[in-house]
Amino acid sequence: AQSVAQPEDQVNVAEGNPLTVKCTYSVSGNPYLFWYVQYPNRGLQFLLKYITGDNLVKGSYGFEAEFNKSQTSFHLKKPSALVSDSALYFCAVRDPQRSGAGSYQLTFGKGTKLSVIP
Amino acid sequence: DTEVTQTPKHLVMGMTNKKSLKCEQHMGHRAMYWYKQKAKKPPELMFVYSYEKLSINESVPSRFSPECPNSSLLNLHLHALQPEDSALYLCASSRQVDGVSSYEQYFGPGTRLTVT
Repeated sequence: AQSVAQPEDQVNVAEGNPLTVKCTYSVSGNPYLFWYVQYPNRGLQFLLKYITGDNLVKGSYGFEAEFNKSQTSFHLKKPSALVSDSALYFCAVRDPQRSGAGSYQLTFGKGTKLSVIP
Repeated sequence: DTEVTQTPKHLVMGMTNKKSLKCEQHMGHRAMYWYKQKAKKPPELMFVYSYEKLSINESVPSRFSPECPNSSLLNLHLHALQPEDSALYLCASSRQVDGVSSYEQYFGPGTRLTVT
C-alpha cells in the first residue's frame, strides 16, 4: 500500500525567511509525487510534481521541492516566505506500478498548516 | 485555462431533500473525480470517471449517485443524506487516468454542503 506522511501539523516561519514543509512517502515502485496548496474555503491548487529526472523540481509561486530516493522524501521549499503563502499544504503520491484502479489513485498526506508571520 | 468550476458554492439541505452538485471543465480532460473533504483533513476519493465511464467507486453509500453526461460535465446527485455527510465536496479533472500517466489533477473550488 502507498502512504504519505507529513510529520508536522503546523509550521511557523517569519516573513522573508526560508520555509520547508516536510513529506515522506512509501510506495512499492517509483513514485509520482505532488504538492498541492489549499487556501481557506477553496479547492486544492497544484504547485509542482516529480515524475522522473532532475531531483529538484521547480513549481508555481517560487516553490520548489527536492526528491530524495534514499530518504523517501519530497520536501517543499521556498527561499523567502510571504505572508500570502499561509495556507494548508498537502503532499500526495501515486504509484503507477500498482495494478488496476490503484495505479492512478492519489494518496494524500494529512496536511501541514503553514503560517508566515509578518 | 486550468479552471474547474463547481456549483453551487454553498448548499444547505434537509435529510429528506434531493439535490445535485455540478462540476464542469473545458480543458479536454477525460478523467474526472469527486472527493469529500472534512475540515482540516485531506480529500477522500469518492468516484472516478474515465472517458465518461465510472472507474472507481470507493464504497460510497448509495445516497450519493454520480453521473457523467459528457466529457465536460460531472454531477453528484444527493438524496436522503445524513448530518455526517456535511463537508466540502471537491471535483477534480486530469488529462488521463491510466496507470502510466503523470498528469496532475486540477481541483474546483468545492461545494460546501451542510445537511440539517
